[in-house]
Amino acid sequence: DVVLTQTPVAQPVTLGDQASISCRSSQSLVHSNGNTYLEWYLQKPGQSPQLLIYKVSNRFSGVPDRFIGSGSGSDFTLKISRVEPEDLGVYYCFQATHDPFTFGSGTKLEIK
Amino acid sequence: EVQLVESGGGLVQPGRSLKLSCAASGFTFSDYYMAWVRQAPTKGLEWVASISYDGGSTYYRDSVKGRFTISRDNAKSSLYLQMDSLRSEDTATYYCTGAAGGWFAYWGQGTLVTVSS
Repeated sequence: DVVLTQTPVAQPVTLGDQASISCRSSQSLVHSNGNTYLEWYLQKPGQSPQLLIYKVSNRFSGVPDRFIGSGSGSDFTLKISRVEPEDLGVYYCFQATHDPFTFGSGTKLEIK
Repeated sequence: EVQLVESGGGLVQPGRSLKLSCAASGFTFSDYYMAWVRQAPTKGLEWVASISYDGGSTYYRDSVKGRFTISRDNAKSSLYLQMDSLRSEDTATYYCTGAAGGWFAYWGQGTLVTVSS
């Protein structure tokens, strides 16, 4: 199975600052069709997860442009500029290139 | 407004069965791939199973293959997960999800399944 390694495990941030989360895959996530199925999700405390980014860098409907996904191959990053209180929670990367689909173990964004 | 409402969770003994349901509204159900994702208590997310628009293709993680069956009824805008031979490691909150751009664009509130004697 593809292993997604997220770092850091916890990211203390000051509100208004930028945060960055890394997701590294044990295999390239480039599909045979040329697409890279790497997504990012946020689970706020007590809530269901929500989709932020799909296919590496595409923001889902309603997601603020403060969230920027980037990367290629097996190395991906989610940057959150000007962190706001509603951004706090656990972030997961996810890959749907290889069967079985897998999630990273999560990065907790918390107030410093 | 897209809504996914799960039901059917509860306490069940190891080896027994349970069937989860998900009622969808606010979108054309038959246009979307659907899936179940679970989360064990205090743990991360785990994809369980997916199903194509018409139910003709289904996909499972290895640990549930042969025990779980995902299905859908497009006429009722409903998704199901039949879970047989349940194990303690299946204890989790099960989320119904719908794909749009991303594989899990829409999420229900989840239903808790506890497998214990």
